[in-house]
Order: sequence, then C-alpha cells, then structure tokens
Amino acid sequence: GNSVTQMEGPVTLSEEAFLTINCTYTATGYPSLFWYVQYPGEGLQLLLKATKADDKGSNKGFEATYRKETTSFHLEKGSVQVSDSAVYFCALSEDYGQNFVFGPGTRLSVLP
Amino acid sequence: DVKVTQSSRYLVKRTGEKVFLECVQDMDHENMFWYRQDPGLGLRLIYFSYDVKMKEKGDIPEGYSVSREKKERFSLILESASTNQTSMYLCATKRAGLNRETQYFGPGTRLLVL
Repeated sequence: GNSVTQMEGPVTLSEEAFLTINCTYTATGYPSLFWYVQYPGEGLQLLLKATKADDKGSNKGFEATYRKETTSFHLEKGSVQVSDSAVYFCALSEDYGQNFVFGPGTRLSVLP
Repeated sequence: DVKVTQSSRYLVKRTGEKVFLECVQDMDHENMFWYRQDPGLGLRLIYFSYDVKMKEKGDIPEGYSVSREKKERFSLILESASTNQTSMYLCATKRAGLNRETQYFGPGTRLLVL
C-alpha cells in the first residue's frame, strides 16, 4: 500500500542554518503531497503542498518540490529561526481515496 | 477562515469510564477524521466519516466508536476507557472529491486515563 518515509530526527540546528528534511513516498497513481507543521501543544497546520509532478510548494520561507522520478518531497529552508522549532510531517493524499497517509514526523529544534 | 474545534484540550478519566470527544467544524466539509498521535508512532487513523451517519474504520478502530448525526459534528466514543488509550486525539476535516484538498486539524485533546 501507500506509505511515507521521513527522517525521524530529532534534528538540531543553529539559528540561520540551512534545513533539509527528507521525505520519500510509495504510492500507486498520482498522489498529492503535503507538509504539515505541529507546534508544541497544538494540532497540525498545513505548511505547503504540491499536487502534481515538478510542482513546488512554498510558504514562510519553506519549499518542497514534487519529484516523481525519485518519489521525493524534501522540505528545505535557507535560514531557520528559533520559532521554526516544531514537528514536521510529510503526507500524501491517495489518488482515489479520501484518506491521508502521514510520515512519522521529524522534530526540529533550532538553537539561538 | 477554516475552524475546527475540539471539546476539550485536556481530559482526565478513570479506567472503565465512557468518554466522549467532540469535534465541530464550520467549513461545510463532507469528510471528517479521528486520529490518535503517540510518540514514535506518528498519526494513526481511528475512524473517518464521508457523510452524515456514514462511518468507516481506519487502521486502529478497536475500543472506539463514532457518531455523526450532523454534518458539522463528529464524535469519538471510548465505551470503556483503558490506560492504553491515553494519547493525543486529533480531529480533521476535508472537502470531498479531489485528492489535492487539504485536511484541516483541530487543536487536539490530550486524554489521560488513570
């Protein structure tokens, strides 16, 4: 079945460092891909999404490109801030279903 | 603006109690979901509903039931709470149809069963 794999972390970076969180997926058909962020004590919020191959999603300085050839959707940010400390989830939405498949989440800690 | 609310942020119950968790959305979305989130296990789907009075089992439905009498409200019921149901419970909603639609989450309910 469909699945999402991402680096589990925790990832610890200094402020202004470059961030990459890897995400790869297995799916039949043509899923849409999402990154969600969860701040401490809160629910998940959509960070960005891409709905077809080669699409780039972007928001708040974060970017991810839907790469069908490598089945990947890696999250990047050029300069992280302390306020980016959170758990990041990669997810896919199945082609003909209503459900999402989530990765295990990656905890990011950014130190001042 | 999308709004998904959950009845409680924190809940403490005793083993054997019946527990109701409520989720309300104001977006007129057809689909609603209940997940539980546990450290190291990520999000696991308990039940979902694609219409009023309709429900489908997710990956871990055992020990849970759900109710959807109105479109905007989706309730998760623990018939007899057990300590292994201590967890963070997240409700989500989504417009039906194309897979590019986003799931919107509530703030979560952290449940402790003693």
